[in-house]
Amino acid sequence: AQSVTQLGSHVSVSEGALVLLRCNYSSSVPPYLFWYVQYPNQGLQLLLKYTSAATLVKGINGFEAEFKKSETSFHLTKPSAHMSDAAEYFCAVSDPQGAQKLVFGQGTRLTINP
Amino acid sequence: EPEVTQTPSHQVTQMGQEVILRCVPISNHLYFYWYRQILGQKVEFLVSFYNNEISEKSEIFDDQFSVERPDGSNFTLKIRSTKLEDSAMYFCASSEAGDNSPLHFGNGTRLTVT
Repeated sequence: AQSVTQLGSHVSVSEGALVLLRCNYSSSVPPYLFWYVQYPNQGLQLLLKYTSAATLVKGINGFEAEFKKSETSFHLTKPSAHMSDAAEYFCAVSDPQGAQKLVFGQGTRLTINP
Repeated sequence: EPEVTQTPSHQVTQMGQEVILRCVPISNHLYFYWYRQILGQKVEFLVSFYNNEISEKSEIFDDQFSVERPDGSNFTLKIRSTKLEDSAMYFCASSEAGDNSPLHFGNGTRLTVT
């Protein structure tokens, strides 16, 4: 069985500061990993994904994430936060054999302070 | 950019009533999904659909639920006799293929059962 834990249901940073959203996963097989973002009243939008190629994955809007097998982590970072980054962020894992059945974390709400 | 569209955005129904949530996936996509998010909880997989049949379903997806692709464009989720605990945001998603193709999510339908 697969699972995802996102540390911190709410993260608050200042505009221009580093954004770090934590995600740890549990999987019995080498997983695929994803970060999705949800803006208010919108659906889930894919930020980036890891599918066993490069361990450092770059996504949209300046976000990137690094797959660390030894730490079973896939933390999301952005060097400099922008007000428009305020949203809910979801980490998800899937079994490469499992046809896109995503298992999501509980989400982290990111607030940007001016 | 093509989008997954869901209607209605908000549905209120009485306990015991049937509801149909509608989705129009992206036109060249072959795999379709329903996920739900109960308020304050994780996004959960309900069902995946390919080639006019269910390819996988979760334990949540019991006999009260059904999915259908009635024509070439719509993908529906029916809840036969709604319960209070069915109140949630329901997300439709589609993907080009069943491997690591990204899921494209709709904006969701908020279902409120009273």
